[in-house]
Amino acid sequence: DTGVSQDPRHKITKRGQNVTFRCDPISEHNRLYWYRQTLGQGPEFLTYFQNEAQLEKSRLLSDRFSAERPKGSFSTLEIQRTEQGDSAMYLCASSSAGGTEAFFGQGTRLTVV
Amino acid sequence: GQQLNQSPQSMFIQEGEDVSMNCTSSSIFNTWLWYKQDPGEGPVLLIALYKAGELTSNGRLTAQFGITRKDSFLNISASIPSDVGIYFCAGQPGGYQKVTFGIGTKLQVIP
Repeated sequence: DTGVSQDPRHKITKRGQNVTFRCDPISEHNRLYWYRQTLGQGPEFLTYFQNEAQLEKSRLLSDRFSAERPKGSFSTLEIQRTEQGDSAMYLCASSSAGGTEAFFGQGTRLTVV
Repeated sequence: GQQLNQSPQSMFIQEGEDVSMNCTSSSIFNTWLWYKQDPGEGPVLLIALYKAGELTSNGRLTAQFGITRKDSFLNISASIPSDVGIYFCAGQPGGYQKVTFGIGTKLQVIP
């Protein structure tokens, strides 16, 4: 399968713990995006990369959040000192450089207890 | 920032009926996208629109890019039970690729 892959699908963590999610984009897509979605809302943009460069970050991305894409392929999103308000679905998407169509992964559902 | 207003927020329809939903923006987009999301899954792209006035079909789905570039609509004809889900409009302004999503339209089809 050559779609966007996210791991894990589900994560339950205690408040205050750190979590890390991984996203593998579609091969040769050089743009990668992270979104967060809470219940009853549309996805909200967090950040995006072109190759390994992080080009834009939303104000939603507090200093507890960090995203990397070190080799321009897969990306990780880390949340430090998780809070209950971080509970959400974290979605990754990718697109080609010239393309405007973003293809999404299945998401990682985070629950902070 | 950009705001997308999507309506209706939910709808119940009988199987076989046609459905229409729309999206308006406070600012201009150069691309409009329509996605469908099933519970616990990521959004799946249905239709992409690139030009003002463009009308594009994908099977029973038809979407249009409004002339003002601030709106779009999606029609589903002859609905079937598997059309159930949440439909999101999304827009991309010119120059960069951040996609802004609407709040979604939850569609339920009564067999």
